[in-house]
Amino acid sequence: SYELTQPPSVSVSPGQTARITCSGDALPKQYAYWYQQKPGQAPVLVIYKDSERPSGIPERFSGSSSGTTVTLTISGVQAEDEADYYCQSADSSGPVVFGGGTKLTVL
Amino acid sequence: EVQLVESGGGLVQPGGSLRLSCAASGFTFSSYWMSWVRQAPGKGLEWVANIKQDGSEKYYVDSVKGRFTISRDNAKNSLYLQMNSLRAEDTAVYYCARTLVVPAAMSEYFDYWGQGTLVTVSS
Repeated sequence: SYELTQPPSVSVSPGQTARITCSGDALPKQYAYWYQQKPGQAPVLVIYKDSERPSGIPERFSGSSSGTTVTLTISGVQAEDEADYYCQSADSSGPVVFGGGTKLTVL
Repeated sequence: EVQLVESGGGLVQPGGSLRLSCAASGFTFSSYWMSWVRQAPGKGLEWVANIKQDGSEKYYVDSVKGRFTISRDNAKNSLYLQMNSLRAEDTAVYYCARTLVVPAAMSEYFDYWGQGTLVTVSS
């Protein structure tokens, strides 16, 4: 079955830039999406179609794609950005797949 | 304002059944695909099932095929998940999610989520 691979954890200091990667063989052909989930809360969509930002999501959140890897970048990280982040995509014929999630810690 | 409110979760014994509901408001429910996504305690997200606007197409993750049934009632703005033959590994928070489909890319994603309802399968 298709898998998306994320690092389990990323740590940054406030004001720095956090980069969270997601790797999958089908990513050159399929869009990726990113969700933020804070403890006890439902996920929130922060990036769609690789690099589009929904209304209401701060500009410091951005997405990019290169080959089999997509990246969520958070510029000028704030304490409130501490959360779990999940990428989501699919292979060409399969169902929706989520990455294992990355815990972002703001030091 | 888009709102999705799940209900129906609880404690059930292995082999038992449960029916989850999701009440939608703030948007034209009948115009959207809808999905169920679950999250086991301390684990990541797992897509469970989705259903087309008119209910004519339904898809499931392999692990629930033949046991779970997704349905909807557009007149009541409601989404359902009938869960039978429940197993311990079905224990999770179940989220209802509005689903956007990108037809040209055969891609879909979830722009609004409910707060979830906890299903615990245990004897």
